[in-house]
Amino acid sequence: AQSVTQLDSQVPVFEEAPVELRCNYSSSVSVYLFWYVQYPNQGLQLLLKYLSGSTLVKGINGFEAEFNKSQTSFHLRKPSVHISDTAEYFCAVRKGGSQGNLIFGKGTKLSVKP
Amino acid sequence: GAVVSQHPSRVICKSGTSVKIECRSLDFQATTMFWYRQFPKQSLMLMATSNEGSKATYEQGVEKDKFLINHASLTLSTLTVTSAHPEDSSFYICSARQDINTEAFFGQGTRLTVV
Repeated sequence: AQSVTQLDSQVPVFEEAPVELRCNYSSSVSVYLFWYVQYPNQGLQLLLKYLSGSTLVKGINGFEAEFNKSQTSFHLRKPSVHISDTAEYFCAVRKGGSQGNLIFGKGTKLSVKP
Repeated sequence: GAVVSQHPSRVICKSGTSVKIECRSLDFQATTMFWYRQFPKQSLMLMATSNEGSKATYEQGVEKDKFLINHASLTLSTLTVTSAHPEDSSFYICSARQDINTEAFFGQGTRLTVV
């Protein structure tokens, strides 16, 4: 079964600093990878996704992620964060071509301080 | 992106009563809808997967008689929490997908409080 590991439960960072949120997944023949953001008491909003093609994926709000098959990782990065980026971030995986659901990591709380 | 609307956003009910949560895909037809439960400061746990016109497939440990899921049309799925108890208090989120090759879009969630 697929699994997703987000090693950092909390990441505090100062405004305008760069940030990387780590995500590793269990290996499979092919996978679809996603990053979602959740603001308090709200649903999930898709930041970006990797289905195939270029391993560097750019998403909304200045975020990007790189698919690394050899390291089974899909880390999320932003070169300069804002206070408004404070939220919970979830990495998710779905087995490629399957009808399966998304498997979520436990989430990483990003706290941006002034 | 596509819009998934979940209603209500918040509900408080008395212990022993039932409450229904609706999940609607507003601008696409959803062949599959998913229901998740999220405990405070934790990830989303899949409760069940429903395909339009079929019975829902429940995850292990989820009581199908307690969490009734109906996916009667391509734009609407409902989750009914029957005989709710305080331990059912949680944040419930639905997502909808047009087909296996498209991404799932999430509703805004429903905060259920059972008193």
